[in-house]
Amino acid sequence: DSGVTQTPKHLITATGQRVTLRCSPRSGDLSVYWYQQSLDQGLQFLIQYYNGEERAKGNILERFSAQQFPDLHSELNLSSLELGDSALYFCASSVERGFPYEQYFGPGTRLTVT
Amino acid sequence: GESVGLHLPTLSVQEGDNSIINCAYSNSASDYFIWYKQESGKGPQFIIDIRSNMDKRQGQRVTVLLNKTVKHLSLQIAATQPGDSAVYFCADHLRSNTDKLIFGTGTRLQVFP
Repeated sequence: DSGVTQTPKHLITATGQRVTLRCSPRSGDLSVYWYQQSLDQGLQFLIQYYNGEERAKGNILERFSAQQFPDLHSELNLSSLELGDSALYFCASSVERGFPYEQYFGPGTRLTVT
Repeated sequence: GESVGLHLPTLSVQEGDNSIINCAYSNSASDYFIWYKQESGKGPQFIIDIRSNMDKRQGQRVTVLLNKTVKHLSLQIAATQPGDSAVYFCADHLRSNTDKLIFGTGTRLQVFP
């Protein structure tokens, strides 16, 4: 158990809908990262938040947005969903104080868009 | 139409043999490297890491080798067991002001009896 929690575990929704994925980082970790993993593919970095502020941005679509709240939990909002958005979404957290740069991953949310 | 995903490179080894999983990185400014193991349906888990000022680091049954000259990283697993079956990702950190990691595409390790 990494200490990172994600809810829900599974999500099935229809095209055009909007969903929110939630992540709670490990206790003490200030940084949260979101990744998308499609079937049999690598981890695509979406976005990073550090202590409530956006820190780095990857290949995140304009239909997607995220935020980190004062209690450090984070939410990833996916809107106008398309079939191609079906994927595993992982959240990871780290201390963000330099070396080591290890990130701790949550169990993921499996999103299925029908 | 039907979508076809990329097929991960696959390494098949017999139980008890040693496994070597390779990874190439592109940026000479990478100062830290890490290997993750991802079992089916789970999040990636830390295996071992290495800083760029080292060329070898050993853990329990695993060894990471770093060759900065050719920008190559490898993960060696000794006496591979069925529980080692998973997808293995390498990731590197660029010397910068963030802790962001860049992940490779992954290699699937299959262990057969």
